[in-house]
Amino acid sequence: EVQLLESGGGLVQPGGSLRLSCTISGFNFSDFAMNWVRQAPGKGLEWVSGISGSGRSTSYADSVKGRFSISRDNSRNTLNLQMNSLRAEDTAVYYCAKDRQIAVAGTSAIDFWGQGTLVTVSS
Amino acid sequence: SFELAQPPSVSVSPGQTASIACSGDNLEKKYVSWYQQRAGQSPLLLIYQDNKRPSGIPERFSGSNSGNTATLTISGTQAMDEADYYCQAWDSSTGVIFGGGSKLTVL
Repeated sequence: EVQLLESGGGLVQPGGSLRLSCTISGFNFSDFAMNWVRQAPGKGLEWVSGISGSGRSTSYADSVKGRFSISRDNSRNTLNLQMNSLRAEDTAVYYCAKDRQIAVAGTSAIDFWGQGTLVTVSS
Repeated sequence: SFELAQPPSVSVSPGQTASIACSGDNLEKKYVSWYQQRAGQSPLLLIYQDNKRPSGIPERFSGSNSGNTATLTISGTQAMDEADYYCQAWDSSTGVIFGGGSKLTVL
């Protein structure tokens, strides 16, 4: 059974930093790309970042480029999202999400989602 | 940047067919996926690569993609289908893109 378990969410002040982690089980982690997708309260889905199965290729939404950094440790089946210079508009539930493919590309689709972790940016 | 547009809301009577559109420039050149998100739950993949269903998704969910519009069709709509539906594609400049979502109401 595929399981994605996010951790690290919480309340942080504007300008602060937070590191999200996602622990994976139930599939061969290095064979698949991974994504972070967020959802602001009452709003739609927004893709944040993606990383290939090897970890060599990463991509970011314009809204977080230069502030967020995605990484993975295939030996520990862990996906991370380092979030710096946080803003109020980053407040959202952040989902760890498994891609069907080894790379985030044209045929990408997200076939498994975690339960999400809430990040609140507020003073 | 590439964008996907969806109607904010769609209504359907129980047992009827619901169609949810997703539009984007020359969308037929891209693969489209569809997700269902019930209230308080994580999204669920319904359709990928325009018209393929993952294991466990009922046959009454189907997808198509032609011209500038992709469509999710739900046949024999049930009360349990009431949810938000999102289309998704990938663009080489923008990355993964989601539509704004459509709230399906089963009246």
